[in-house]
Amino acid sequence: GENVEQHPSTLSVQEGDSAVIKCTYSDSASNYFPWYKQELGKGPQLIIDIRSNVGEKKDQRIAVTLNKTAKHFSLHITETQPEDSAVYFCAASIINTGTASKLTFGTGTRLQVTL
Amino acid sequence: DAMVIQNPRYQVTQFGKPVTLSCSQTLNHNVMYWYQQKSSQAPKLLFHYYDKDFNNEADTPDNFQSRRPNTSFCFLDIRSPGLGDAAMYLCATSRHRTAGAQHFGDGTRLSIL
Repeated sequence: GENVEQHPSTLSVQEGDSAVIKCTYSDSASNYFPWYKQELGKGPQLIIDIRSNVGEKKDQRIAVTLNKTAKHFSLHITETQPEDSAVYFCAASIINTGTASKLTFGTGTRLQVTL
Repeated sequence: DAMVIQNPRYQVTQFGKPVTLSCSQTLNHNVMYWYQQKSSQAPKLLFHYYDKDFNNEADTPDNFQSRRPNTSFCFLDIRSPGLGDAAMYLCATSRHRTAGAQHFGDGTRLSIL
């Protein structure tokens, strides 16, 4: 089955700096890669996603890049703010018409943005 | 606002006493998922429904069951909770089986005495 590795496990940045979180996946058939932000006591919230036919996607301060050949994808957050502090999970999934898609999550990155 | 609602937010039960967690959605999504999340870990899929079709993950313990009486509601039943079942339980929905994106509720934190 799919295996997703995520690094680093913790990341501390100063407010205004950029943060980068990296994930690798094992199954070349995976074609959908979402990123979730989870704040304390809440459920994961989808912040950005990318499909395998796209190499990069950007939404304001966050961007995701995908390298299908190397089987890795990354989350970039620019101009970090204290409210960006949370645990971030990457995930990989195979979307096809036969079965409901299922997410395989990475192990999570705890991001701390300091003043 | 359309959303995924889980009740209760906190549930305490006794070792071996059956407990039911509930999830409702106003998104009219076809797929509903149940995840277990232990402290400092990623969510782990237990099972999912595509409409009324139930799909169990191979490593989901028999102690866990689920019901989906209609599109809007889904229940997680734990027949005989053990101490190892203490966790956050998350419900998620997806518009249809090829939609990809899953929308999570805020979870029910289950404690076992």
